[in-house]
Amino acid sequence: QQQVRQSPQSLTVWEGETAILNCSYENSAFDYFPWYQQFPGEGPALLISILSVSDKKEDGRFTIFFNKREKKLSLHIADSQPGDSATYFCAAQLPGTGSNRLTFGKGTKFSLIP
Amino acid sequence: GPKVLQIPSHQIIDMGQMVTLNCDPVSNHLYFYWYKQILGQQMEFLVNFYNGKVMEKSKLFKDQFSVERPDGSYFTLKIQPTALEDSAVYFCASSLDPRDTLYFGAGTRLSVL
Repeated sequence: QQQVRQSPQSLTVWEGETAILNCSYENSAFDYFPWYQQFPGEGPALLISILSVSDKKEDGRFTIFFNKREKKLSLHIADSQPGDSATYFCAAQLPGTGSNRLTFGKGTKFSLIP
Repeated sequence: GPKVLQIPSHQIIDMGQMVTLNCDPVSNHLYFYWYKQILGQQMEFLVNFYNGKVMEKSKLFKDQFSVERPDGSYFTLKIQPTALEDSAVYFCASSLDPRDTLYFGAGTRLSVL
């Protein structure tokens, strides 16, 4: 059973549009949700993250909306730019562990219409 | 930003051989990790390592797997012997604290023939 699910698998938008990437999870005990951005040939890099005590986290053009009751979150990319084309991974972590064990989704491949 | 280097980027070996994947973590980091990603699937946690010891491992970390970081050199993942199902991209990561940001390398693509 996949613990973290992402949709859509791929997403293409026009430059300047707002893109919405979705994520849901199974384990209600998860309390920390980072989003990683990965460009081809590179490793994933932390983009933005949220704790389960918050319902929104904003960083520039990137915003996470979090719904604890429904166990869903979404990453909004406002004013999409060509440099945003990448694969985005949603991840989740349990509290109080002595390790950085993240549970990842399969990712959303995001690109802009040329 | 901080960089994690992985060597080599691609390794091809015959089933049954031994392979060692090398990782040069961020210099002042203390916690080290390996994740495995099979093509088209999510990245999955294998193991984390701190102070010379395995702290936690998943069921994917088979008996044929071992990790070490001798004298502050490379953090390595050794698979002996390899099996066809070990074909995947292996990502190394490091962090300063257990709950701090994970920094990933670009991965080593392992192909077992």
